[in-house]
Amino acid sequence: AQTVTQSQPEMSVQEAETVTLSCTYDTSESDYYLFWYKQPPSRQMILVIRQEAYKQQNATENRFSVNFQKAAKSFSLKISDSQLGDAAMYFCAYRSSGNTGKLIFGQGTTLQVKP
Amino acid sequence: DGGITQSPKYLFRKEGQNVTLSCEQNLNHDAMYWYRQDPGQGLRLIYYSQIVNDFQKGDIAEGYSVSREKKESFPLTVTSAQKNPTAFYLCASSGLARPGGEQFFGPGTRLTVL
Repeated sequence: AQTVTQSQPEMSVQEAETVTLSCTYDTSESDYYLFWYKQPPSRQMILVIRQEAYKQQNATENRFSVNFQKAAKSFSLKISDSQLGDAAMYFCAYRSSGNTGKLIFGQGTTLQVKP
Repeated sequence: DGGITQSPKYLFRKEGQNVTLSCEQNLNHDAMYWYRQDPGQGLRLIYYSQIVNDFQKGDIAEGYSVSREKKESFPLTVTSAQKNPTAFYLCASSGLARPGGEQFFGPGTRLTVL
């Protein structure tokens, strides 16, 4: 069975600085998808970024980018120019290539942004 | 606007009562999911459904039941058999036609047992 691990329960960053959140996963599959979701204090889950395992190029979305290391089974999220609105809980999630669409979530990392 | 709605936002249950959480989506998604979130923890899958009139147990299905009579609706019943139901419940949906498509989430229901 697949597992997702986020080893940093809490992180903090100074406004305008860069922070990296770590995620590792375990799978025997070769084709899969990885996601980062953001959960702000409102508790609404918001998709931040998505990565297909068959793509070597790291995904980017504005200030958000990932470092996808398939062999190491690592999927970290880098937030550049951190803003106060980035303060939230961040979840890493794994989706198999099968058609159930099920997601397996990590435990989450709470990000604090200091002004 | 397309999206997922959950109701109620807050729900209080007495010991021994069954309660039903509503989840509706107008995204025309085939699959729907229910997750439980406990404080400081990740999301754990309770049940999911890929098609009307069919659903599968997730990792923590004991004490819960679901139905999928319409594509748009996937209500979750928390039964008296669930020993520790106080938690935040999230409903999600996903289109299965697009490989690797993300899940879209509702705003959640906070259930408290009195």
